[in-house]
Amino acid sequence: RKEVEQDPGPFNVPEGATVAFNCTYSNSASQSFFWYRQDCRKEPKLLMSVYSSGNEDGRFTAQLNRASQYISLLIRDSKLSDSATYLCVVNMLDTDKLIFGTGTRLQVFP
Amino acid sequence: DGGITQSPKYLFRKEGQNVTLSCEQNLNHDAMYWYRQDPGQGLRLIYYSQIVNDFQKGDIAEGYSVSREKKESFPLTVTSAQKNPTAFYLCASSTARDRVNTEAFFGQGTRLTVV
Repeated sequence: RKEVEQDPGPFNVPEGATVAFNCTYSNSASQSFFWYRQDCRKEPKLLMSVYSSGNEDGRFTAQLNRASQYISLLIRDSKLSDSATYLCVVNMLDTDKLIFGTGTRLQVFP
Repeated sequence: DGGITQSPKYLFRKEGQNVTLSCEQNLNHDAMYWYRQDPGQGLRLIYYSQIVNDFQKGDIAEGYSVSREKKESFPLTVTSAQKNPTAFYLCASSTARDRVNTEAFFGQGTRLTVV
């Protein structure tokens, strides 16, 4: 089983739609969780950190479920500019590694 | 401006040659990482370092080597032993808060092509 797993997509949604991505992780010792956004041929950029209590930043909401070992990202009112690949990242406390999922591709159409 | 800088942006190498990719950060981060990304794929960890003069192998370390002689520098050498080196290489750094690594910041990447 992979340490971090994501549905690769693509998710094709119209503008204004709400879309949700999930990411599962295998190591229960994981401590830090993040969502990154990567545009084509560019470096990943931090979208948001994920906290146990959940957190929201404008149209984006991230949740952590430690019992089921998954994190989620919800995007409301999708914009064309949201089209990108969304990467789930987990920090393994016992090894200090930052492990990336393979990413979920989102395509928002007019 | 604080940040992480990779150079060069594009690199061409002949088969059988070693090549070194530069990564420098002025964020005072302790941890640094090297990842490889192939087209349409995710990031795979090559090497990482938590402190100066110490580093660990990631998932795909074969054919690569690193050094961490200074906190701000973490160069990656792609050796001739790496059978398929053409890829996008990304360097990242992060700090630790209460012994837990915080979010990582990335350089712009180096595209290596073997010709």
